[in-house]
Amino acid sequence: EVQLVESGGGLVQPGRSLRLSCTASGFTFGDYAMSWVRQAPGKGLEWVGFIRSKAYGGTTEYAASVKGRFTISRDDSKSIAYLQMNSLKTEDTAVYYCTRSSSVPPNDYWGQGTLVTVSS
Amino acid sequence: AIWMTQSPSLLSASTGDRVTISCRMSQGISSYLAWYQQKPGKAPELLIYAASTLQSGVPSRFSGSGSGTDFTLTISCLQSEDFATYYCQQYYSFPWTFGQGTKVEIK
Repeated sequence: EVQLVESGGGLVQPGRSLRLSCTASGFTFGDYAMSWVRQAPGKGLEWVGFIRSKAYGGTTEYAASVKGRFTISRDDSKSIAYLQMNSLKTEDTAVYYCTRSSSVPPNDYWGQGTLVTVSS
Repeated sequence: AIWMTQSPSLLSASTGDRVTISCRMSQGISSYLAWYQQKPGKAPELLIYAASTLQSGVPSRFSGSGSGTDFTLTISCLQSEDFATYYCQQYYSFPWTFGQGTKVEIK
């Protein structure tokens, strides 16, 4: 059974950093791209970023709203994807989901989400 | 970036109704469109990808159509468990983008 479990969320002050983890099981993690999607309280879904599998270079893509502040990485030996968030802003407050991503199909599995609250 | 207009934002319907949700793109995306369902407090779930391919396990009352710039999600006979919020998403080019969402509520 495919499972994605996010962790690392919490309350953080503006300007500080936080790292989220997404631990995967039930599939060969290294064969898949992974994405992060967030949802601010009461709002819609916002795509955050994407990391390709090592077979496709392990390169990353980001939304304009987080580019330069957020970094996605992966550790295939541990089946974990990371979202390093720096220079956090109050508008980054959201539930952050990790997803398993392929071109066919995209985002077929989602974690349960982890809440990040940026507030002083 | 590709802009998406999803409509309506709110849809009031009754059990048994046929409902349609529209998603329009600012430029053509071939068939690189997915639909998701989200219930309160839960993660989204993939319903349809490649515009019209039903994800495994999704009931056949859900269907998708369209290509290029105009897409539609149809629920042929609304069931009680279908009252939720629906999102479209393009994955034709980065940045991937989601529609604003359509909340399907009980009339």
